[in-house]
Amino acid sequence: QTVVTQEPSFSVSPGGTVTLTCGLSAGSVSTSNYPSWYQQTPGQAPRTLIYSTNTRSSGVPDRFSGSILGNKAALTITGAQADDESDYYCALYVGLGIWVFGGGTKLTVL
Amino acid sequence: EVHLLESGEGLVQPGGSLRLSCAASGFSFSSHAMTWVRQAPGKGLEWLSLISHDGADTYYANSVKGRFTISRDNSKNTLYLQMSSLRAEDTAIYYCAKEDSAHRFDPWGQGTLVTVSS
Repeated sequence: QTVVTQEPSFSVSPGGTVTLTCGLSAGSVSTSNYPSWYQQTPGQAPRTLIYSTNTRSSGVPDRFSGSILGNKAALTITGAQADDESDYYCALYVGLGIWVFGGGTKLTVL
Repeated sequence: EVHLLESGEGLVQPGGSLRLSCAASGFSFSSHAMTWVRQAPGKGLEWLSLISHDGADTYYANSVKGRFTISRDNSKNTLYLQMSSLRAEDTAIYYCAKEDSAHRFDPWGQGTLVTVSS
């Protein structure tokens, strides 16, 4: 059973930079896992931020960026704003048609 | 505008069955794989199932394999999730989403609530 790991919570100051990570319980994340990142605020459906590791979805501000850092996928928010306070989920393709979401990171901006 | 609308919300007893639908519009439905994702109350997202553009290939998370069946009717631009042997832990909001060639789940529907309780 593949587990995708994310930090449960993170805090960033307004204007600051934060990097959230997404790892695999066994092995390293690579571009072949097609890492994607989703933002969700309470009561709303998820919104796609980043897909295929580092491609921003249409309308997503360029302060959001995706990458591979070491053996994990990463979402970096540069110049955090108050309305970035949300839950962030990564999803990884683990092969044989199967996708797995991470447990999510609750980001606080204060 | 690309749009997905789930339906089939309901309260069902443990062991019961329910079918969810997801009506698609604004894109070539028959050209895209589709997926179901759920979110239990206060919990994270859980990928459940994916179906290829033509319905020939289906994939499931271990948690629902053998109990849930994904299908589609391309003539009706509709995706389905047949759920059986439902358990209390299946209580969640169920979302459908399009998977595009860039391996992105987008857009998402607004979700439909399934409650499994006696």
